[in-house]
Amino acid sequence: EEQLVESGGGLVQPGGSLRLSCAASGITLSDLYMDWVRQAPGKGLEWIGRSRNKVNGYTPDYAPSVRGRFIISRDDSKNSMYLQMNRLKSEDTAIYYCVQILEGYWGQGTLVSVSS
Amino acid sequence: DTQMTQSPSSLSASVGDRVTITCQASQDITNFLNWYQQKPGKAPKLVIYDASNLETGVPSRFSGSGSGTDFTFTISSLQSEDIATYYCLQYDNLPFAFGPGTKVDLK
Repeated sequence: EEQLVESGGGLVQPGGSLRLSCAASGITLSDLYMDWVRQAPGKGLEWIGRSRNKVNGYTPDYAPSVRGRFIISRDDSKNSMYLQMNRLKSEDTAIYYCVQILEGYWGQGTLVSVSS
Repeated sequence: DTQMTQSPSSLSASVGDRVTITCQASQDITNFLNWYQQKPGKAPKLVIYDASNLETGVPSRFSGSGSGTDFTFTISSLQSEDIATYYCLQYDNLPFAFGPGTKVDLK
């Protein structure tokens, strides 16, 4: 069974950093384009970034709201994807999901809270 | 950037009612549009892909139509388990964009 599992969320102060992980089972992430989507408490869904597949060099793209602060990376040996979040702001507080849009795979999400 | 508008923002309907939600893109996205169902505390679930294709395992009372800029999502006969928030997503061009969502509840 295909599964995506996010981890790494937690409470962080404004200006701090956090790294989220997305571990896959039942699928090979290196073959797939993968995305990150977030949802602030009580709000809608926001696409924040994409990593192309290995054949396309894992080239990333980012939403304007996180460009220059967030970095997506991969580790083929761990069949995983990461979201490095820097210079965090209170408005980054959200549940973060890793997603494979074409296949409809979503993780369960991990909560990031940015607060002093 | 492509902006997505979705209407209505919420609706109340009775079991058995036909429910229709619309999504409009600010530019042509051909058929690169998905519809998702999200229940409280859960991750979104893909319902319709490529505007009109029913995801495997999803009941046939769900359907989607449209292309270009105007899209429609329909539940032909609302069931209690369909109570959720529904989102459209355009994935034709980056940055991808979700509609603001439609909350469906029981009258």
